[in-house]
Amino acid sequence: EVQLVESGGGLVQPGGSLRLSCAASGFTFSSFSMSWVRQAPGKGLEWVGNINEGGSEKYSGDSVRGRFTISRDNAKNSLDLQMNSLRAEDTAIYYCVRGRWNYVYWGQGTVVTVSS
Amino acid sequence: QSVLTQPPSASGTPGQRVTISCSGSSSNIGSNTVNWYQQLPGTAPKLLIYNTNQRPSGVPDRFSGSKSGTSASLAISGLQSEDEADYYCAAWDDSLNGRGVFGGGTKLTVL
Repeated sequence: EVQLVESGGGLVQPGGSLRLSCAASGFTFSSFSMSWVRQAPGKGLEWVGNINEGGSEKYSGDSVRGRFTISRDNAKNSLDLQMNSLRAEDTAIYYCVRGRWNYVYWGQGTVVTVSS
Repeated sequence: QSVLTQPPSASGTPGQRVTISCSGSSSNIGSNTVNWYQQLPGTAPKLLIYNTNQRPSGVPDRFSGSKSGTSASLAISGLQSEDEADYYCAAWDDSLNGRGVFGGGTKLTVL
């Protein structure tokens, strides 16, 4: 069974940093691109970015480019999202998702709140 | 302001056919396939349609997708109470080195 479990969410002050992690199991992690999608409270879905199987190619959305970095450790079956210079508008549920774009498998999400 | 435009709400009665539209541009819907996601309250989204008109295993054939030019549609026939949810369209956008874009979502109410 495919499982994606996010962790690392919490409350952080504006301008601060946070690192999210996603533990993957039930599939060959190194064979799949991975992505992050977020959803602000009461709002729609927003694509954060993705990373290819080997970690050499990364793409990110306009609103996070230059502040957020996606990385992966295939030996540990782990996906990370390093978030710097956080803003109030980054407050959201962050989902770890398997795949480059057609997202069948989603994690349960981790909540990030940016507030002073 | 979402890159893809959806109506904020839609409604129908049980058994009815409902369509949800999604409008984009030449850099996204016009040149790439469209996905649709269903999100029930408090849960992660579920892939409903991929590659414009393909259904993942387990999705009833009451759900269908189509595309024409820079617009796409999701049709739900034989509407059921459990179809009440938020629906999102999505497409890859070839501008700015490539990025994924979603619609703002449509809340479907079954009357």
